[in-house]
Amino acid sequence: EVQMLESGGGLVQPGGSLRLSCAASGFTFKTYDLTWVRQAPGKGLDWVASITYNGVYTFYGDSVKGRFTISRDNSKNILYLEMSSLRAEDTALYYCAKTHSTSGYYFDSWGQGTLVTVSS
Amino acid sequence: DIQMTQSPSSVSASIGDRVTITCRASRPINDYLAWYQQRPGEAPKLLIFDVSALHSGVPSRFSGSKSGTDFTLTITGLQPEDFAAYYCQHGITFPRTFGGGTRVEMK
Repeated sequence: EVQMLESGGGLVQPGGSLRLSCAASGFTFKTYDLTWVRQAPGKGLDWVASITYNGVYTFYGDSVKGRFTISRDNSKNILYLEMSSLRAEDTALYYCAKTHSTSGYYFDSWGQGTLVTVSS
Repeated sequence: DIQMTQSPSSVSASIGDRVTITCRASRPINDYLAWYQQRPGEAPKLLIFDVSALHSGVPSRFSGSKSGTDFTLTITGLQPEDFAAYYCQHGITFPRTFGGGTRVEMK
């Protein structure tokens, strides 16, 4: 069974930094692209960043480009999201997601999310 | 960036009803379109990918279709567990974009 468990969320001041982690199991981690998606309280889904299976290529949403860094450790089966220069509008539940087994354009397994709150 | 415009933002329906949700892409996305369901307090779940392919374990009352750059999710015979939010998402390029969501509420 695929499991994805996010951690690292919390309360941080504007301008601060935070690193999220996503520990995965139940699939061959090193062969799948991975993604972070966030959801502000009461709002819709917002794609944040994706990384290819080997970590060579990364992609970012315009709102986080230059501030967030997605990375992965294929030896530990962990996905990361390093967040800096945090803003109030980054407050959200952050989900990690695995790409679909046959169509790598979609997300077929999600964690339960970790909450990031940016506030003074 | 490709914008995904979803409508309606909410719909009220009863058990057994047929519910239709539409998503319009700002430019052609071929068949790179998925639908997700999100129940309150839960993570999203993939329902349909590549316009009309049902994800594993998804009931057959869910179906997807396409007409040009308009995509439709249909629930035929609404069940109690279907009251939830639904989102479309394109996969043709980065950034991946979700629609704004449709909340299916009980009438």
